[in-house]
Amino acid sequence: NAGVMQNPRHLVRRRGQEARLRCSPMKGHSHVYWYRQLPEEGLKFMVYLQKENIIDESGMPKERFSAEFPKEGPSILRIQQVVRGDSAAYFCASSPPGSSSYEQYFGPGTRLTVT
Amino acid sequence: GDSVTQMEGPVTLSEEAFLTINCTYTATGYPSLFWYVQYPGEGLQLLLKATKADDKGSNKGFEATYRKETTSFHLEKGSVQVSDSAVYFCALKGDNTDKLIFGTGTRLQVFP
Repeated sequence: NAGVMQNPRHLVRRRGQEARLRCSPMKGHSHVYWYRQLPEEGLKFMVYLQKENIIDESGMPKERFSAEFPKEGPSILRIQQVVRGDSAAYFCASSPPGSSSYEQYFGPGTRLTVT
Repeated sequence: GDSVTQMEGPVTLSEEAFLTINCTYTATGYPSLFWYVQYPGEGLQLLLKATKADDKGSNKGFEATYRKETTSFHLEKGSVQVSDSAVYFCALKGDNTDKLIFGTGTRLQVFP
């Protein structure tokens, strides 16, 4: 059973470009979470999605950031017009539906560098 | 709001030494508590968890006990190995939320 998959693992973008980060949850998992880790800091929650629904986006910056989890395909975190401060590691986690949702399984992360 | 405070690192130990990494939390209600480990260049792996007061989570020689009276969840290991070198994150999940709140992480370096 493959774990949570994220791609690309490393992404370099120039200021003003768009970044698209993909996350495929574990098989059977329908809950996806995105976290951001700035250098030398802990992870900060960004958004929690279920299929076709955003459940909690309280950690998402108000501008330039969006996330989706379509019925088919991976979850996408999209950052428009990237700035240097967006450079970070972005981690996706997934959990199964139901009462065990407190256990989240993390992917390897996408390391975004904005030049 | 809910928060987690961890001791700052790095923690530097010799192999076979005793390890303690302190973690305290602030939360309303009855949160679940977790320790995650991050090896260089990798994502986070769940190390252990506890979901109610006085529960002890354990895995790979690591232990942590959920102490509600002191709002703590300290990580301990009796004898560390070089392979335990990593960053350790304490985290909580509140009663009415699905998001994890992380501490800032503690880097552990174990030397032979």
